[in-house]
Amino acid sequence: GENVEQHPSTLSVQEGDSAVIKCTYSDSASNYFPWYKQELGKRPQLIIDIRSNVGEKKDQRIAVTLNKTAKHFSLHITETQPEDSAVYFCAAMEGDTGRRALTFGSGTRLQVQP
Amino acid sequence: SAVISQKPSRDICQRGTSLTIQCQVDSQVTMMFWYRQQPGQSLTLIATANQGSEATYESGFVIDKFPISRPNLTFSTLTVSNMSPEDSSIYLCSVEDRAPGELFFGEGSRLTVL
Repeated sequence: GENVEQHPSTLSVQEGDSAVIKCTYSDSASNYFPWYKQELGKRPQLIIDIRSNVGEKKDQRIAVTLNKTAKHFSLHITETQPEDSAVYFCAAMEGDTGRRALTFGSGTRLQVQP
Repeated sequence: SAVISQKPSRDICQRGTSLTIQCQVDSQVTMMFWYRQQPGQSLTLIATANQGSEATYESGFVIDKFPISRPNLTFSTLTVSNMSPEDSSIYLCSVEDRAPGELFFGEGSRLTVL
C-alpha cells in the first residue's frame, strides 16, 4: 500500500515569513494529493489539493507543488499569519480509484510567532 | 460542502463495553469513510462503507472489533467493541465532497476509555 512521509514534524516561523512542508509518497500510481489543516480541537479541513496532471497550484497565500518523478509534493505558505498556526497533514490517494483511500502523512505542527 | 452530524461528540466509556457512533449526512453519498485519530497522531483509515455491501476494512482493523452499518445513502454507524484504553481516540466520519478524494470530515467523536 501507499506510504506517505512528512517533514518537518514541527515548524516555527515569524509572522510574515514563508513556511514549507514536504511530503514523499511511495506508490507511483497515486494521482491525488490534498493538504489538510487541523486547528486544535477541530476537524481536518481541506485547504488545497493537486492532481497528478499538473505540477503546481496556487490559491492566494498557499501553493502546492508536485514532482511525480521524485514522488514528492510540498505545501508553501507565504506571508504567514498567526491564524495559520495549526497542524497540517498531507495525503495521497492511491491510483486504484475504485478504492479511493487517502493515506495521510504524520503531520506538521506549524507555529507562527507574532 | 456536505453537512455531517456525528454523535456522540464525546464520551467516557468503561473498559469492556461497546459504543456506537452515528454519522448522518445531509445528502446522498456513495462512499463513507471512517478514520481514527489517536491523541497527537495522524489520521488512519479504519474502513470504507458503501451502501448495500459489506464495509471494506484496512489492514489492522477487523469487523468483529469495528462493525459498521450502512443502511442507506445518508447514514452510517461505527461500533467500537470490547473497548480498552488503547481505543481512546477521535473517530471521524468523512464523505467525498465534490470530487474523488476530496474528503469532508465530521466534527469527530472523542472517546476516552477508562
